[in-house]
Amino acid sequence: DSGVTQTPKHLITATGQRVTLRCSPRSGDLSVYWYQQSLDQGLQFLIQYYNGEERAKGNILERFSAQQFPDLHSELNLSSLELGDSALYFCASSVGQGVGATNEKLFFGSGTQLSVL
Amino acid sequence: GENVEQHPSTLSVQEGDSAVIKCTYSDSASNYFPWYKQELGKRPQLIIDIRSNVGEKKDQRIAVTLNKTAKHFSLHITETQPEDSAVYFCAASIVGGNTGKLIFGQGTTLQVKP
Repeated sequence: DSGVTQTPKHLITATGQRVTLRCSPRSGDLSVYWYQQSLDQGLQFLIQYYNGEERAKGNILERFSAQQFPDLHSELNLSSLELGDSALYFCASSVGQGVGATNEKLFFGSGTQLSVL
Repeated sequence: GENVEQHPSTLSVQEGDSAVIKCTYSDSASNYFPWYKQELGKRPQLIIDIRSNVGEKKDQRIAVTLNKTAKHFSLHITETQPEDSAVYFCAASIVGGNTGKLIFGQGTTLQVKP
């Protein structure tokens, strides 16, 4: 167990709908990252938050948004869902402002499997 | 741009043989290079990492080498076992300003045949 908690584990919804994915980082970690993993695809970086503030943005669609709350948990909101949004969404956390700094490592949650029908 | 290339995409070896996976990165400022193992339907798990001030690191049957000049790094697994079968991802840190994120390669599916 990495200590990163994601809910729900599975989500099935229809096109056009909106869903919210939730992530609680490891105790003491201030950064939260969101990644998308489509079938047979690698891990695509979406966005990073550090202590409530957006710090880095990747290939995140305008239909997607995220935020990090004062208790450091994060939510990823996906709206106007399309079939192509079906994927495994991972949250990860690290202790400081970002990997690359001394001793920072990235730990992943178990993911939310989103199926858009 | 930010890019990590990983090869091969699939690798099949006999149990007991060695496996090597190679990655190249584009950002010369990258300074952290982890490797993750992902079993089917599960989360990526960190198996070994290396920082730019080190050329090689070993942990039992797993080793990673880094060539900063050539901007490439490799994962070496010796004496492979069936339980090593999984998808392996390399990654490189992209550091900018007051943040840092990981960019991942496309993954290598390793199959170890008994």
